[in-house]
Amino acid sequence: GDSVTQMEGPVTLSEEAFLTINCTYTATGYPSLFWYVQYPGEGLQLLLKATKADDKGSNKGFEATYRKETTSFHLEKGSVQVSDSAVYFCALSAKGYQKVTFGTGTKLQVIP
Amino acid sequence: KAGVTQTPRYLIKTRGQQVTLSCSPISGHRSVSWYQQTPGQGLQFLFEYFSETQRNKGNFPGRFSGRQFSNSRSEMNVSTLELGDSALYLCASSLTEGASSYEQYFGPGTRLTVT
Repeated sequence: GDSVTQMEGPVTLSEEAFLTINCTYTATGYPSLFWYVQYPGEGLQLLLKATKADDKGSNKGFEATYRKETTSFHLEKGSVQVSDSAVYFCALSAKGYQKVTFGTGTKLQVIP
Repeated sequence: KAGVTQTPRYLIKTRGQQVTLSCSPISGHRSVSWYQQTPGQGLQFLFEYFSETQRNKGNFPGRFSGRQFSNSRSEMNVSTLELGDSALYLCASSLTEGASSYEQYFGPGTRLTVT
């Protein structure tokens, strides 16, 4: 079945550091890929998405590129802020199936 | 557009009781999914409803049930509560017709504590 594997957290970075959170997936066909973010005490918010190979999703300085050859969708940001502290979830949805498979989440803590 | 709303936001129940949680999706969204989130198990899919029909179901016991109304609002019910049911219950809605991808929009969740 479909699955998503994320790097274990927590990830602790200093403000303005470069962020990478690794995500790889297993799915049949060509899924859509997503990154969601969950701030403390809140539900999940869609951060960015990519629907086909080589697409780059971007939002709020975060980027992720759909790499079919490596089945990856790594999240990056050039300069993190304290306000980016949250839990980040990688997810996929197989084409034609109205179901989302989530990774286990990676907690990011940014310190001043 | 108003986002996904969930009521109540917080709930405290005793073992053995039953509970009903409510979710109102974004206007125009006909698919509603429910998730249980705990520190130990992470985000686990409960079930998904579309046009008042359960379309997908996760691996949870029959004590967990749900339904969807004609206005797309959804409720989930947990009977005979156990301590392990303490969790954040998240509802998500999706636009299906005409959507290029199946992204979900989440509500703030209902924090259930079972004592």
